[in-house]
Amino acid sequence: NAGVMQNPRHLVRRRGQEARLRCSPMKGHSHVYWYRQLPEEGLKFMVYLQKENIIDESGMPKERFSAEFPKEGPSILRIQQVVRGDSAAYFCASSPPFRPTVRFGNTIYFGEGSWLTVV
Amino acid sequence: AQSVTQLDSQVPVFEEAPVELRCNYSSSVSVYLFWYVQYPNQGLQLLLKYLSGSTLVKGINGFEAEFNKSQTSFHLRKPSVHISDTAEYFCAVSEVGGSNYKLTFGKGTLLTVNP
Repeated sequence: NAGVMQNPRHLVRRRGQEARLRCSPMKGHSHVYWYRQLPEEGLKFMVYLQKENIIDESGMPKERFSAEFPKEGPSILRIQQVVRGDSAAYFCASSPPFRPTVRFGNTIYFGEGSWLTVV
Repeated sequence: AQSVTQLDSQVPVFEEAPVELRCNYSSSVSVYLFWYVQYPNQGLQLLLKYLSGSTLVKGINGFEAEFNKSQTSFHLRKPSVHISDTAEYFCAVSEVGGSNYKLTFGKGTLLTVNP
């Protein structure tokens, strides 16, 4: 959904550099989620954040990856010392300010994705 | 853990023809099922979802899907496609009782509608 804004859309980094991907949720949304799509694979959940809190990071690689959603500003997914295997599409999604449950019809809204290429 | 298999990576069809995009899933627990669509240069958009009840689910833009528990399938269909349906389609599941943010996606099917 065009309401979730991600930038940059495309990012090229050399091995060992840092990559920062930004996500601005839809207006009025305070929950943010990051997903990763590796080549030839489906999107996989990485992390769920609310303002200033990490709620669920069960899908985040244990090293080099971190995410934040500060009180002001966009959510940032940070990858330190990138390697070629980090090349992927990273999707951000957001939802309104209550815990999303399928039964109540709550849906998460995805952005256009950011493509990271590590050379 | 769940997994989703979309059997066709690409499906080319002619305008006004019917189309079926196939999706099979594997899970040790009950799941909810979703189809998302990504139009060129746009984010993923929810097309339809199955939570419970009738196994035939209708979504936006004339699409429908049928949940078949015995075959663990959730195929997406449209009786007559338009050029504007050209997009990537993703099937996804989430665990019943959990929150809907933890979706497991298939690899996607690129639907190309030709004139």
